Amino acid sequence: SQELEQSPQSLIVQEGKNLTINCTSSKTLYGLYWYKQKYGEGLIFLMMLQKGGEEKSHEKITAKLDEKKQQSSLHITASQPSHAGIYLCGADTIGNQFYFGTGTSLTVIP
Amino acid sequence: KAGVTQTPRYLIKTRGQQVTLSCSPISGHRSVSWYQQTPGQGLQFLFEYFSETQRNKGNFPGRFSGRQFSNSRSEMNVSTLELGDSALYLCASAKDRVASYEQYFGPGTRLTVT
Repeated sequence: SQELEQSPQSLIVQEGKNLTINCTSSKTLYGLYWYKQKYGEGLIFLMMLQKGGEEKSHEKITAKLDEKKQQSSLHITASQPSHAGIYLCGADTIGNQFYFGTGTSLTVIP
Repeated sequence: KAGVTQTPRYLIKTRGQQVTLSCSPISGHRSVSWYQQTPGQGLQFLFEYFSETQRNKGNFPGRFSGRQFSNSRSEMNVSTLELGDSALYLCASAKDRVASYEQYFGPGTRLTVT
């Protein structure tokens, strides 16, 4: 079973539209990370959330952590083709093992 | 500042052979973690090394092993390769232990086992 479930699995949006990706953990979260990956390449760190209620933004990407729900959301405003890729959430859980989510593939149509 | 580098970038091996992959972390980073990424299983944690010691290990058979040198560079070895070992192997470095610290990933090594 997956410790981190992401939804949706894939997303196709028109350029300029907003979108949200969710990441839900089955275990207590000690840190939640968001990464972006272009196919077949390494991961690019986007942001890290550590406290419940924490919200961080970078350019048009905002991530929030709901500690009670053990859930994080990643919101992209006014999507652009450069946002296309695979978005992965990752988390520290008890035992210091790092888990990754199932991934969300984002396609932005110009 | 140079990023995480991995060599080689691509590798083709035959079943039964062994392979060694290399990872050079960002200067000053002491933690190196290895991950396997496949279409079916996604990204899975292999192991973490910190100060030349394996600190954590994922659920992989003993054919997968690694080590870390005093300069924090790390190598991963897979013995008796199986077709299912074909994957993108990613390494990531962090300043300290992985927990609560940002990890920076290398470009990966694409291993194909035939």
